[in-house]
Amino acid sequence: AQKITQTQPGMFVQEKEAVTLDCTYDTSDQSYGLFWYKQPSSGEMIFLIYQGSYDEQNATEGRYSLNFQKARKSANLVISASQLGDSAMYFCAMSPKGAGKSTFGDGTTLTVKP
Amino acid sequence: DAGVTQSPTHLIKTRGQQVTLRCSPKSGHDTVSWYQQALGQGPQFIFQYYEEEERQRGNFPDRFSGHQFPNYSSELNVNALLLGDSALYLCASSRDQGTYNSPLHFGNGTRLTVT
Repeated sequence: AQKITQTQPGMFVQEKEAVTLDCTYDTSDQSYGLFWYKQPSSGEMIFLIYQGSYDEQNATEGRYSLNFQKARKSANLVISASQLGDSAMYFCAMSPKGAGKSTFGDGTTLTVKP
Repeated sequence: DAGVTQSPTHLIKTRGQQVTLRCSPKSGHDTVSWYQQALGQGPQFIFQYYEEEERQRGNFPDRFSGHQFPNYSSELNVNALLLGDSALYLCASSRDQGTYNSPLHFGNGTRLTVT
């Protein structure tokens, strides 16, 4: 069974500063994918970034980067230069190889202060 | 390029009734998954459809059933509604049979309230 743990229910960050959202996972699979999604108050889940378990380099997508530490089973999301529009709920998720089921954490609510 | 569309947006039902939710996947996607998201929690996997077959199922009772049509659109049916079924129901589509490196593309969800 797979499990995602997000230990920060809520986070605050000042506009233009960087913030790290924590994610640890548990799986016995060797091949898997790790994802981060953003959910604004409107409800739609938006894909942000992906990291494969065999990828040696950390993934980056614009202001988003994923700090992947495989031995520690962590996949933290780093948002640089926070903007007011980044205020939302953020979910870490993982998918095993060969199956489409994604397991999600309970999310972190990020609030960006002006 | 239309994304994932879900209907209806909101729905209010009475306990014991049945409900059908609909989803059209993003263009080019062949796999549809359904998730239930309770308030303040992460989405919980209900089931996934590929080639009109239920390929994988989460820990949900048989009251939850679904269907995928030849055009890849999908329906989620819930029978004998319980108060605890009140949630946001998210449809997500993906390509490449939903393999582990294929991100999910979500619709805006259907907010179901059971009274």
